[in-house]
Amino acid sequence: DQQVKQNSPSLSVQEGRISILNCDYTNSMFDYFLWYKKYPAEGPTFLISISSIKDKNEDGRFTVFLNKSAKHLSLHIVPSQPGDSAVYFCAAIFGNEKLTFGTGTRLTIIP
Amino acid sequence: DSGVTQTPKHLITATGQRVTLRCSPRSGDLSVYWYQQSLDQGLQFLIQYYNGEERAKGNILERFSAQQFPDLHSELNLSSLELGDSALYFCASSAGLAVHNSPLHFGNGTRLTVT
Repeated sequence: DQQVKQNSPSLSVQEGRISILNCDYTNSMFDYFLWYKKYPAEGPTFLISISSIKDKNEDGRFTVFLNKSAKHLSLHIVPSQPGDSAVYFCAAIFGNEKLTFGTGTRLTIIP
Repeated sequence: DSGVTQTPKHLITATGQRVTLRCSPRSGDLSVYWYQQSLDQGLQFLIQYYNGEERAKGNILERFSAQQFPDLHSELNLSSLELGDSALYFCASSAGLAVHNSPLHFGNGTRLTVT
């Protein structure tokens, strides 16, 4: 049962444009959502998070939007840079339970 | 550098064998998590330890076991290995239990290949 879904395995975006990565979830009990970024041969690194009581959280070029009614969140990267090329994982958690990850979206920034 | 050290980086072994993966958490972190990433799969949670005690269990097979030692390092033991166990195994650590307050820091993983 995949409770966190990233339906786009890959995404290509021109440098300088906006990258939008999407994530859907099924468990309405999730109360925190996180995005992790992973480069090849490295472990995932924490990028940004959002509480379920908010609908937006911004950190520099990265903004996460949460639509609870649609059980959907998205990560916006503006402007996209070549160093943003990586696999992005969406993750969700309820209380102190385990972090549930999506399958990831490979983002490629085209110079 | 996340501060989480995993050894070995690569492991190739035959079916039916047993292997041990090792993880040293970031200094000061009490929680250790193990995740498995198979081809085209997300990170599947296996097990969590907090200060030496098992805290949560995910989809961990009975052939797999783990422990966290008094110095807080952790080991994941995989036995009776099957071809399907080939995957990247990640260890992560965090300071406490509330992941949203202390996000996980991941090691670079151990790539296990079962032939």
